[in-house]
Amino acid sequence: AQTVTQSQPEMSVQEAETVTLSCTYDTSESDYYLFWYKQPPSRQMILVIRQEAYKQQNATENRFSVNFQKAAKSFSLKISDSQLGDAAMYFCAYRSAIRNNDMRFGAGTRLTVKP
Amino acid sequence: DTAVSQTPKYLVTQMGNDKSIKCEQNLGHDTMYWYKQDSKKFLKIMFSYNNKELIINETVPNRFSPKSPDKAHLNLHINSLELGDSAVYFCASSQDTFLDTQYFGPGTRLTVL
Repeated sequence: AQTVTQSQPEMSVQEAETVTLSCTYDTSESDYYLFWYKQPPSRQMILVIRQEAYKQQNATENRFSVNFQKAAKSFSLKISDSQLGDAAMYFCAYRSAIRNNDMRFGAGTRLTVKP
Repeated sequence: DTAVSQTPKYLVTQMGNDKSIKCEQNLGHDTMYWYKQDSKKFLKIMFSYNNKELIINETVPNRFSPKSPDKAHLNLHINSLELGDSAVYFCASSQDTFLDTQYFGPGTRLTVL
């Protein structure tokens, strides 16, 4: 079974600094997709970044980048130049490329940004 | 413009009642989803649906049923509500079933008393 683990329930970062959120997953599949979602107090789930497993190059979206280590089954999110608006719950998610209904989320990491 | 919208945002109801949550997406996506997020923040997929196929997570009770009047809407009907149904329910959509990113709605907080 595929599982997604976020080992950091809470993280804190100073404004303008860099923070890395950890995510590991377990799968026997070779092709899949990984996502990071942000859930602010408004509860809306907002896509931050996506990575296809077949791509070796790490995905980047402005201040957000990932460190994807396929062999280690690790998918960490780095937030550079942290802003107050980055404060939220962050969820790592795994989606099978084969099974339509197989999308799994980690338990989330609550990120606090200190001014 | 809101891409994926849900109504209502909050729903408080008594045990045993039947309720519906509406979802609409204006992205032109082919596939829509329903998720349940429990009090511990665990997010679990309940259904995925496009005009060809409904896929149900086998753990979802048959009291829950999705209904799609058209491609832009996927409503969630819940019969005989139970205390354990209290959660936040998220609707989402994606262009393609397998490949594309899912875009989530703002969520509906359901409280069953």
